[in-house]
Amino acid sequence: DTEVTQTPKHLVMGMTNKKSLKCEQHMGHRAMYWYKQKAKKPPELMFVYSYEKLSINESVPSRFSPECPNSSLLNLHLHALQPEDSALYLCASSPRGGLDTGELFFGEGSRLTVL
Amino acid sequence: AQSVAQPEDQVNVAEGNPLTVKCTYSVSGNPYLFWYVQYPNRGLQFLLKYITGDNLVKGSYGFEAEFNKSQTSFHLKKPSALVSDSALYFCAVRDPNTGGFKTIFGAGTRLFVKA
Repeated sequence: DTEVTQTPKHLVMGMTNKKSLKCEQHMGHRAMYWYKQKAKKPPELMFVYSYEKLSINESVPSRFSPECPNSSLLNLHLHALQPEDSALYLCASSPRGGLDTGELFFGEGSRLTVL
Repeated sequence: AQSVAQPEDQVNVAEGNPLTVKCTYSVSGNPYLFWYVQYPNRGLQFLLKYITGDNLVKGSYGFEAEFNKSQTSFHLKKPSALVSDSALYFCAVRDPNTGGFKTIFGAGTRLFVKA
């Protein structure tokens, strides 16, 4: 099993809603990532978890709240988002939690639309 | 600061012809270089990487890339393009100064292969 699974694939929410994006991998990877990607742009790093601990927060607004309940799961909790937060949210994983020279394994993404 | 440049927004090539997608990098220390491909509304897929060793790296779907340290380049190549190769291609570098947690992506190059 070499997949990173993201749910939901599509999400539409209002600015007052609370929702969550979920990501799961069963490759035994110890680092997991959230990226945000706008149309025709490269992915932008948001958060990195290494061994279930938050290692990098790229100054992301607090309306985005990550959570890593265990080594296989990564959540992104969304609250009071703005229309400009509409984007493709990509989850990725990599084998090691540091000094990792390996490639990232990406999920298919969750397409978020904020109305 | 670490950076990756993809000088071409779009590359057009006829099916059966060789293709090259250019990438240059600026990294302090040893670079860990990657190429990823993204099809519409999908996540990124890993193509190939250079960590150390042979400067010519072979990857998925017949792609290869040549690491050139003197020119700080890592161009992606394929001897004979297919229409199905049409996609968005990202060159990327893992930043060793962040313990490898940060992957810096180039702006992306759209490859269009005409039948």
